[in-house]
Amino acid sequence: DVKVTQSSRYLVKRTGEKVFLECVQDMDHENMFWYRQDPGLGLRLIYFSYDVKMKEKGDIPEGYSVSREKKERFSLILESASTNQTSMYLCASSIGLAGGREQYFGPGTRLTVT
Amino acid sequence: QQQVKQSPQSLIVQKGGISIINCAYENTAFDYFPWYQQFPGKGPALLIAIRPDVSEKKEGRFTISFNKSAKQFSLHIMDSQPGDSATYFCAAPKAAGNKLTFGGGTRVLVKP
Repeated sequence: DVKVTQSSRYLVKRTGEKVFLECVQDMDHENMFWYRQDPGLGLRLIYFSYDVKMKEKGDIPEGYSVSREKKERFSLILESASTNQTSMYLCASSIGLAGGREQYFGPGTRLTVT
Repeated sequence: QQQVKQSPQSLIVQKGGISIINCAYENTAFDYFPWYQQFPGKGPALLIAIRPDVSEKKEGRFTISFNKSAKQFSLHIMDSQPGDSATYFCAAPKAAGNKLTFGGGTRVLVKP
């Protein structure tokens, strides 16, 4: 079974703090994704990575950055957390087009910025 | 801009009833339409997917209906069970790549 793990289930941070969200997948997938989930807005793509050190901006990259130094690990960074970044953050991975487009999701990190 | 519009936002159905969720898309070049199911406290998981060369796909009690001319696709949950209570997301590919655009989600509650 594919397993995508996220470093924290719940996180509370203060405005202005630097926040790191970590994601690890164990299936040697090329692609990794960071989404945020908000009621009524579905899942919105923040960043996408298709290979080590390669990244693409998604629909809402402002205020976020990412790092992918190893194939299995994809980190989301909030340089200076703000209250409007309070949300559920979901990491996902997929094998790539040749193997189908199914995305495998982690359990999510609920981030609260106060 | 939202490329996939999903309705309704929430749905309450009695056990044994039919749940119907609709999605409309804009880009006729889309070639893959998945539905994801998310239980509370869990990440979404692929439930069923369809390609536009077929009009319907059925897996157990779950059926996707696809209407290419109307640019719509729907998820039907037949004989709905309390264990089907979850949030459902439709999705479509962003251009011809690995990324997906998700609909806004439908929270389904099946009452016993």
